[in-house]
Amino acid sequence: GQQVMQIPQYQHVQEGEDFTTYCNSSTTLSNIQWYKQRPGGHPVFLIQLVKSGEVKKQKRLTFQFGEAKKNSSLHITATQTTDVGTYFCAGQEYGNKLVFGAGTILRVKS
Amino acid sequence: EAQVTQNPRYLITVTGKKLTVTCSQNMNHEYMSWYRQDPGLGLRQIYYSMNVEVTDKGDVPEGYKVSRKEKRNFPLILESPSPNQTSLYFCASSYRGTGTHEQYFGPGTRLTVT
Repeated sequence: GQQVMQIPQYQHVQEGEDFTTYCNSSTTLSNIQWYKQRPGGHPVFLIQLVKSGEVKKQKRLTFQFGEAKKNSSLHITATQTTDVGTYFCAGQEYGNKLVFGAGTILRVKS
Repeated sequence: EAQVTQNPRYLITVTGKKLTVTCSQNMNHEYMSWYRQDPGLGLRQIYYSMNVEVTDKGDVPEGYKVSRKEKRNFPLILESPSPNQTSLYFCASSYRGTGTHEQYFGPGTRLTVT
């Protein structure tokens, strides 16, 4: 079945440093979604990417969808303490079944 | 306010004692799903439902049951809980039409089976 691999599993950065998490699917996706889960909270939707090669930005966050629609990345520029949490990608094949990656835990040292 | 509610939020139970975790959404979403979250394993889908009376297994359905008799409700049933079902459970819902299929998650239910 479809698998979504996400790396790294864990990253600890100094405040102000950049951060990137990568996501790879075993199958071609119709779209990919990104979620953020704060410690003790529930996942919250950040963005959905649909088009091949798509790049979207939300302030310091940049999301990319690969040309083959099998990989994606989330890059955070100049991390802040408010960025801490777990970032999940979720790949959706046609038909609504979402498959989540294992998540990347981000810790920020101030 | 658009939301997904789950009850209870915390539950400690014993092996074999049947339990139900309720999930309700007020957004008229067709799609609903249950996930369990375990350290290092991310969110794994247990069951999902495309609409009323339509349910299907996710990746880890063993030991769980669901029903979808009404559009807004999607309860998760553990007929005979075992310690390996100790986990954090999330219910989620989303729209099925064209456009963004953002999943709205409930606050989570932390279940401990002793």
